[in-house]
Amino acid sequence: GQQVQQSPASLVLQEGENAELQCNFSSTATQLQWFYQSPGGSLVSLLSNPSGTKHTGRLTSTTVTKERRSSLHISSSQTTDSGTYLCAPTNSAGNKLTFGIGTRVLVRP
Amino acid sequence: AQTIHQWPVAEIKAVGSPLSLGCTIKGKSSPNLYWYWQATGGTLQQLFYSITVGQVESVVQLNLSASRPKDDQFILSTEKLLLSHSGFYLCAWSLRAVNSDYTFGSGTRLLVI
Repeated sequence: GQQVQQSPASLVLQEGENAELQCNFSSTATQLQWFYQSPGGSLVSLLSNPSGTKHTGRLTSTTVTKERRSSLHISSSQTTDSGTYLCAPTNSAGNKLTFGIGTRVLVRP
Repeated sequence: AQTIHQWPVAEIKAVGSPLSLGCTIKGKSSPNLYWYWQATGGTLQQLFYSITVGQVESVVQLNLSASRPKDDQFILSTEKLLLSHSGFYLCAWSLRAVNSDYTFGSGTRLLVI
């Protein structure tokens, strides 16, 4: 089955710094979503990016489909960005989303 | 606009007691529905998915069952809880397209004691 590796496992930033999160997955994906998981557990979809580069606000995702990898760039980090960032590719049938363990981000004021 | 509602928000239950968690999706007809589970500090795992009323596929065996009695409702249940059932349960929906985004509910936190 699909395996998802995320790096780094954790990251500490000073407010205003940028960060780059990496995701590698083992099988072909029809969709690739990045989620933010709050300390309380709820999931918020940040970006959907099966290929190429997409931007929203201070977030930029780049997915290289053939190499089965994606990155999430956070620019000008804020304390409210603290939480866990999850990468999740969708299988070819579209009926399963597989999650990595995530990157835990802490942004200090 | 589509909304997804999960209940209850949290539960503390005794080992061996029954459990029923619910999920309702409004504003979208015939969605694909999913149940996910996350142990404390663990990875989110898909438990079940359903593409239509009355049809549920199991992905991971955790001594749980799921049912879809209505198009907009997905139920997760067990007759006897185990300590290992503790964790965070999330319901999600997607369209039937293979590249559809998944949208998650706010979750139910379960503690089995």
